Amino acid sequence: GNSVTQMEGPVTLSEEAFLTINCTYTATGYPSLFWYVQYPGEGLQLLLKATKADDKGSNKGFEATYRKETTSFHLEKGSVQVSDSAVYFCALIGNYGGATNKLIFGTGTLLAVQP
Amino acid sequence: GAVVSQHPSWVICKSGTSVKIECRSLDFQATTMFWYRQFPKQSLMLMATSNEGSKATYEQGVEKDKFLINHASLTLSTLTVTSAHPEDSSFYICSAPGGGSRTDTQYFGPGTRLTVL
Repeated sequence: GNSVTQMEGPVTLSEEAFLTINCTYTATGYPSLFWYVQYPGEGLQLLLKATKADDKGSNKGFEATYRKETTSFHLEKGSVQVSDSAVYFCALIGNYGGATNKLIFGTGTLLAVQP
Repeated sequence: GAVVSQHPSWVICKSGTSVKIECRSLDFQATTMFWYRQFPKQSLMLMATSNEGSKATYEQGVEKDKFLINHASLTLSTLTVTSAHPEDSSFYICSAPGGGSRTDTQYFGPGTRLTVL
C-alpha cells in the first residue's frame, strides 16, 4: 500500500542555516505530494504541494521537487528563521481510483531553529 | 481560504463518560471529512472517513463502536468517543478536502485535546 517515510527529528539548526528534510514515498500510480506544517499550538497548514513528476512546489522560501525516479519529495530552505520552528509532515494522496483524497502522512519532523 | 473549525479545543472528562467533538467547514461544503488521531511523537493516524448521508469508513484497527462518527450535514461531522478511558487521551484532528479545484488539498481543524482522567 501507499506509505511515506521521512527523516526522524528533531532537527536543530542555527538561524540562517540550510535546511533539508528528506521524504520518500511508496505509491501506486501518480500520487500528489504535500508538505504540511504544524506550528506550536496550531493545526496543520498546507505548506506546498506538487501534483506531477518534476513539479516544484514552493512557499515561504521552502521548496520541494517531485522526483519520480527516486520517489522523493525532499523539503529544502536556504536560510531558516526562528519562526520556522515547527513540525513538518510529508504526505501523499493516491490518484489511482479507489481512495482519492485519503492523505497518508509521514511521522513528522520537528524542526527547532535557534537564534 | 477554506477554514475548518473544531469544538471544543480541549476537554477533560472522567473515565466512562462520552465526549463529542465537532468539526465544521466554515466557508465550503464537504461531503467527506477525515478524522485523525495524533500521537505524542507527532505521527498522525487516519481513524476514519466521514461521509455525508452514509456510514463512516473506518481504518483497520479502529473500533466503530468506540468512535462514533456522524456526518449530519455538508458542513458538520461529529466524533463521539464513547465510554472514554485514559488510553483514549490524545489529540484529535479533522480535515476536509477543499471544493472545486482544491479537492486534492486538505484543510485541517486546529485539533481537540482530549484528556481522560
